[in-house]
Amino acid sequence: NAGVTQTPKFRILKIGQSMTLQCTQDMNHNYMYWYRQDPGMGLKLIYYSVGAGITDKGEVPNGYNVSRSTTEDFPLRLELAAPSQTSVYFCASSYTLTGGNEQYFGPGTRLTVT
Amino acid sequence: AQTVTQSQPEMSVQEAETVTLSCTYDTSESDYYLFWYKQPPSRQMILVIRQEAYKQQNATENRFSVNFQKAAKSFSLKISDSQLGDAAMYFCAYMEGAQKLVFGQGTRLTINP
Repeated sequence: NAGVTQTPKFRILKIGQSMTLQCTQDMNHNYMYWYRQDPGMGLKLIYYSVGAGITDKGEVPNGYNVSRSTTEDFPLRLELAAPSQTSVYFCASSYTLTGGNEQYFGPGTRLTVT
Repeated sequence: AQTVTQSQPEMSVQEAETVTLSCTYDTSESDYYLFWYKQPPSRQMILVIRQEAYKQQNATENRFSVNFQKAAKSFSLKISDSQLGDAAMYFCAYMEGAQKLVFGQGTRLTINP
């Protein structure tokens, strides 16, 4: 199993551009998450999904959109990129029937907006 | 909203010694989960240990153990026999509804040879 994969690994955007961060998991996990990590800080939840077709906002959703059409994929869309969105983005997944299950993280995407 | 606080931005320890990383959290829930994640320079987030709040027994995983004080809302991580490979950022995290993680700010651990 590849686990959770993210593409691209690095990206530089100009202000106002848009892009999609890809996330795929091959573990048949029902829950998927997007976090961002600003320099020297912990991760903050952007959006999450409890299954295909179901998404909800996390702590910092402004400026982002998500969709989940399949169990495996959970892309994150940035519209009109701003310097405040410069961060490292992590996708994660878990298999959850009861509480407290481990979240498995991808390797992250480092995004710079200039 | 729940918050997680790690009051030690940086810690250092001699190789083979023991170090304790602190974490406090704020919640009104009685049933929840707490985690410690390790983030080495590779950026990969790695689960170190997990604690269920309704279990009074402290979790242990080999050289890693926790001191869970539910009434004090404290969840510290003890690393015994520190090794060079333990050098990393360590994040304390609280799991709330819908299995969402709330992370602390992190503690950077340096291991001195």
